[in-house]
Amino acid sequence: KNQVEQSPQSLIILEGKNCTLQCNYTVSPFSNLRWYKQDTGRGPVSLTIMTFSENTKSNGRYTATLDADTKQSSLHITASQLSDSASYICVVSEGREYGNKLVFGAGTILRVKS
Amino acid sequence: EAGVAQSPRYKIIEKRQSVAFWCNPISGHATLYWYQQILGQGPKLLIQFQNNGVVDDSQLPKDRFSAERLKGVDSTLKIQPAKLEDSAVYLCASSSGGSGIVGDTQYFGPGTRLTVL
Repeated sequence: KNQVEQSPQSLIILEGKNCTLQCNYTVSPFSNLRWYKQDTGRGPVSLTIMTFSENTKSNGRYTATLDADTKQSSLHITASQLSDSASYICVVSEGREYGNKLVFGAGTILRVKS
Repeated sequence: EAGVAQSPRYKIIEKRQSVAFWCNPISGHATLYWYQQILGQGPKLLIQFQNNGVVDDSQLPKDRFSAERLKGVDSTLKIQPAKLEDSAVYLCASSSGGSGIVGDTQYFGPGTRLTVL
């Protein structure tokens, strides 16, 4: 069964600190992996996308890594800000003929405190 | 570029009542998705349209849920009759591709929060 597991479930950090979120997946066939940020009451917004051959991708203070061999990914947030408080969802695309089917993790809820 | 529009943003109904949600995708996007997101979980795909045809509705509870995409643009999702466990956020997303394009990005609307009492 195609699954995406994320850890930790929730995390509280102080403003300015760094943090790393983890994602393990069993999706096959693998197409790509994205990290989404979902603010409360909003739809998810894509942060990064990585294909099989990519190991790392950055978007400002967000850096995602991918190990396709172990089927693991991480999202590192540097110098956190209050606005980083959100749910971070790891999404793996299952390759199909008519558009990739997205398999979502349950998300990690991040709260940044001042 | 205008994003994905959804309405209403919030809806409260009693069980066994009917409800409908509306979605207007980004102009020109061929593929439209409806997701159900229960509190504390990631979104679950209910149905995927490619233009006005259904590509995947394997997780749509067809005894009570129905969806259509008129003329390959706007879409409506209906629940009839609603159950308590249908309480969730219903997200609509659209993408430009849909033909196995790697990296085809889905853009999400703000969602409709449904509460069934």
